[in-house]
Amino acid sequence: QITLKESGPTLVKPTQTLTLTCTFSGFSLSTSGVGVGWIRQPPGKALEWLALIYWNDDKRYSPSLRSRLTITKDTSKNQVVLTVTNMDPVDTATYYCVHTGSYYVLDYWGQGALVTVSS
Amino acid sequence: QSALTQPASVSGSPGQSITISCTETSSDGGDYNFVSWYQQHPGKAPKLMIYDVSTRPSGVSNRFSGSKSGNTASLTISGLQAEDEADYYCSSYTGSSTLVVFGAGTKVTVL
Repeated sequence: QITLKESGPTLVKPTQTLTLTCTFSGFSLSTSGVGVGWIRQPPGKALEWLALIYWNDDKRYSPSLRSRLTITKDTSKNQVVLTVTNMDPVDTATYYCVHTGSYYVLDYWGQGALVTVSS
Repeated sequence: QSALTQPASVSGSPGQSITISCTETSSDGGDYNFVSWYQQHPGKAPKLMIYDVSTRPSGVSNRFSGSKSGNTASLTISGLQAEDEADYYCSSYTGSSTLVVFGAGTKVTVL
């Protein structure tokens, strides 16, 4: 059974760096074809793909946010970490951790973590 | 870069069939055969309903089906039920560094 769970701060101040951790179980991030990524959704708005890291450490980022995003993995801990620098109120959103077993099909989702950016 | 256009809302009565369209309005050369559909109920995480245009994951009702014609993919819900009322997002694998793009979502209302 594949599960993912996001953790991190619920409130960050503008200009701060957000660090989110995805802790997963039921699969290994060292298995060929497997990836873990992040999607966010501002309140009442659409989904936005942010980043994804594959079993071979290949990393993909949203072009519009590339300069602010870093995704890393710790295979031994079954964790993936996303950092977002220079947070702004427009970054207020629910951040979802996702699994893909085939490069791009997001077949399992975490419950999501709401992050509010406010001073 | 690809962009996906969906209608803002679609509605239907119980038992009816509805279709949600998803049109790729531009392309960076990616293959539009890698279209997925996600269902999202209020306050919940999205759920994968269709991938690779028309493949249903295990456990998804066969009332949900996907198809594609040209640059427009479609999700059809047959035998509409109250539980189908949700937001539906299409997404496409672009094959580039962008990887995945989402449509703006379609709100399905069961009348």
